[in-house]
Amino acid sequence: EIVLTQSPGTLSLSPGERATLSCRASQSVSSSYLAWYQQKPGQAPRLFIYGASIRATGIPDRFSGSGSGTDFTLTISRLEPEDFAVYYCQQYGSSRWTFGQGTKVEI
Amino acid sequence: EVQVLESGGGLVQPGGSLRLSCAASGFTFSSYAMSWVRQAPGKGLEWVSVISGSGGSTYYADSVKGRFTISRDNSKNTLDLQMNSLRVEDTGVYYCAKLYSYGGGSFDYWGQGTLVTVSS
Repeated sequence: EIVLTQSPGTLSLSPGERATLSCRASQSVSSSYLAWYQQKPGQAPRLFIYGASIRATGIPDRFSGSGSGTDFTLTISRLEPEDFAVYYCQQYGSSRWTFGQGTKVEI
Repeated sequence: EVQVLESGGGLVQPGGSLRLSCAASGFTFSSYAMSWVRQAPGKGLEWVSVISGSGGSTYYADSVKGRFTISRDNSKNTLDLQMNSLRVEDTGVYYCAKLYSYGGGSFDYWGQGTLVTVSS
């Protein structure tokens, strides 16, 4: 099973700052099968990025995804107040789906 | 508008059973694989199970294999999860999620979840 490790666990930033979230896989992951989600308290997760770098419908362009192989990154270029939340990476492979443990972006 | 709505959660004793349901609308249900994903209180997301659009293929996380059974009724646009031999560690919010056809195994629509509590 592929294990995804996200870092840091918590990112303390201010509105307007840049956020860089890391997702490292224990084995190589196809870029086509790496996604990022945002989750706010009491809400369901929301798909933000799929295929490692493709923004889902309605996701603003301040969010970008990159990476390949075992190292992937979610970047938020300028944090808006509504961006403070928990972000999860997720991969699919060999009929198995796994999530990272999450990175909390807080003020 | 795509909607998925879970039901069936509740309090159950260890060793007991519970059946969750998910009602879907706003898309051609039989064309899409569907999944259950859970989240223990204060913890991260954990994939539980996936079923293909036809229902002919099913996949399970090792933590639930042999205890949980996923099924679907394409005539009613519903997805079910039969949970047997429940353990305390099965406690959490269970989300029904639709797989995104073009999203390489990602989940593009999620319900609001139903809470399962396994406790004596």
